Amino acid sequence: QSALTQPRSVSGSPGQSVTISCTGTSSDVGGYNYVSWYQQHPGKAPKLMIYDVSKRPSGVPDRFSGSKSGNTASLTISGLQAEDEADYYCCSYAGSYVVFGGGTKLTVL
Amino acid sequence: EVQLVQSGAEVKKPGESLKISCKGSGYSFTSYWIGWVRQMPGKGLEWMGIIYPGDSDTRYSPSFQGQVTISADKSISTAYLQWSSLKASDTAMYYCARMFSSGWYNDYWGQGTLVTVSS
Repeated sequence: QSALTQPRSVSGSPGQSVTISCTGTSSDVGGYNYVSWYQQHPGKAPKLMIYDVSKRPSGVPDRFSGSKSGNTASLTISGLQAEDEADYYCCSYAGSYVVFGGGTKLTVL
Repeated sequence: EVQLVQSGAEVKKPGESLKISCKGSGYSFTSYWIGWVRQMPGKGLEWMGIIYPGDSDTRYSPSFQGQVTISADKSISTAYLQWSSLKASDTAMYYCARMFSSGWYNDYWGQGTLVTVSS
């Protein structure tokens, strides 16, 4: 079971939009609508941002959105803000267990 | 308020055993899965496994099967992660998190337990 593939880093200026991709296989991302995304600031525990591909938990700004096409899921952050600078991890059900992506560092320029 | 409170940092020697804990409160502990996630220094998140405290059903990632043991004591709303013989490569931050089995996502996380294994 390999980790899902994410870009190591992405960047954007305040107000811009960025998209983070998460590529898996038909055995995980492509096979189930159980993709979630987590935000992690340095020294902090991860925080759930998106679940079930595109749903937002209460309290998460609607600037965060998720989608999926085939074996690739995506997290889009619009209207970038300084506090969005963090590591982001995708996660997918893979049939009796769960696999994370390698993580993407988002830098807000 | 849902809370998961983990035990404190540990410093151990290779070959020693260890059991760390995660106490849940503010919800029905026996009605949700609890999972463990490893984060090695400077690295990403790795899903280790989950347990359903209601009946102790346990699932492991293939990467961690046989390397650790996940257990729970529902009488005190506490889940555990244990090692029988630690290695230096077990040095990491370990998080517990509540899991929604309907979507296989973690909605509440503990604060993390740092385990350092060094001779």
